[in-house]
Amino acid sequence: QQPVQSPQAVILREGEDAVINCSSSKALYSVHWYRQKHGEAPVFLMILLKGGEQKGHEKISASFNEKKQQSSLYLTASQLSYSGTYFCGTWGRAAGGGNKLTFGTGTQLKVEL
Amino acid sequence: EAGVVQSPRYKIIEKKQPVAFWCNPISGHNTLYWYRQNLGQGPELLIRYENEEAVDDSQLPKDRFSAERLKGVDSTLKIQPAELGDSAVYLCASSSRQGQETQYFGPGTRLLVL
Repeated sequence: QQPVQSPQAVILREGEDAVINCSSSKALYSVHWYRQKHGEAPVFLMILLKGGEQKGHEKISASFNEKKQQSSLYLTASQLSYSGTYFCGTWGRAAGGGNKLTFGTGTQLKVEL
Repeated sequence: EAGVVQSPRYKIIEKKQPVAFWCNPISGHNTLYWYRQNLGQGPELLIRYENEEAVDDSQLPKDRFSAERLKGVDSTLKIQPAELGDSAVYLCASSSRQGQETQYFGPGTRLLVL
């Protein structure tokens, strides 16, 4: 089942902060965050692993609550280049067996001057 | 280092026609993925390869879709015949190994079926 992201869309002025949430109904092994600009490929931002290990971006942080099966992405002092659609990807059990990355519903972020 | 390469970038075909997409993963990446992304939605996995073996194709509509990864490097995804509902962006991604490794995406092929 697809993770649910909130908000669906947000507009910021440059320099403002934002939080994007990702919630899953399934047990998670890790959460991956990507940003996709219109017409371009998704670009990896960050991965959060069970146990608290985090790999990723310098200016963006995130949290992963394993018990609640939730993750949040924190964007501070936003820049125009932060505009795009943010997707969380949850690594967990696939219906056909094994594990796979399931992408969320997406959050459109627009940063204005 | 070159990223994931895909071609063509755009394709417009009429329904019932065949179409093929090509992907060249990052050098040394053994795991290759094909995703489909519908407008306004996140990518959905179609098939995953470990080297030349398809290890997860449960989401691939096998009546019209096929894929191959000969020699464990390049991959081709084919649709025959295409339907109107196949219009989407087809993304290829690769990772150095399976599991929770970072997936690197190509620019995708935007398919429009008329």
